[in-house]
Amino acid sequence: KAGVTQTPRYLIKTRGQQVTLSCSPISGHRSVSWYQQTPGQGLQFLFEYFSETQRNKGNFPGRFSGRQFSNSRSEMNVSTLELGDSALYLCASSLEGTTDEQYFGPGTRLTVT
Amino acid sequence: KQEVTQIPAALSVPEGENLVLNCSFTDSAIYNLQWFRQDPGKGLTSLLLIQSSQREQTSGRLNASLDKSSGRSTLYIAASQPGDSATYLCAVRRGRDYKLSFGAGTTVTVRA
Repeated sequence: KAGVTQTPRYLIKTRGQQVTLSCSPISGHRSVSWYQQTPGQGLQFLFEYFSETQRNKGNFPGRFSGRQFSNSRSEMNVSTLELGDSALYLCASSLEGTTDEQYFGPGTRLTVT
Repeated sequence: KQEVTQIPAALSVPEGENLVLNCSFTDSAIYNLQWFRQDPGKGLTSLLLIQSSQREQTSGRLNASLDKSSGRSTLYIAASQPGDSATYLCAVRRGRDYKLSFGAGTTVTVRA
């Protein structure tokens, strides 16, 4: 069974631009979560989707948004990029997002210059 | 707010020694706890998942224990190998908030 895939793997953007990251969960998984990882803050929760509904959102500004499609694939968007948005963005999937195991993708490395 | 702490932040051991990694959390009302491994620049690999009703889980050389009442989990890695060098993260899921709260990780170096 294929794992969680994320595209693109690497991205370089300029301040003020916007970016869209994509995540394809493991087949059959309906919950997708997004996390931001930085050396200073560690892993921080961005949001979680289940059956196209956002069930929880982390403490990030409104520039960070996401959505989930009917096939459970998810995208996150960051508008008006800032230098501090440079990070590894990780996506995780699970069957239902409650007591089940979370599986992470390889991440998208975003660099903002 | 759930706080997750991992001590020590870094650990260096000779090959063959057993590893003991600690994780503590402030809110004992958790659904489960999961241990992950992360290699530099890579994603997270799930190692073990312990549900709140369980006391331990084992997989090969790995054994993880959970003491909810004291807010602690320990990951044991037997007979360490250089390939075990990585950062180990613990994460807890608290109630129906649909998210994991992570510790900062313990970076392990196993010397050949």
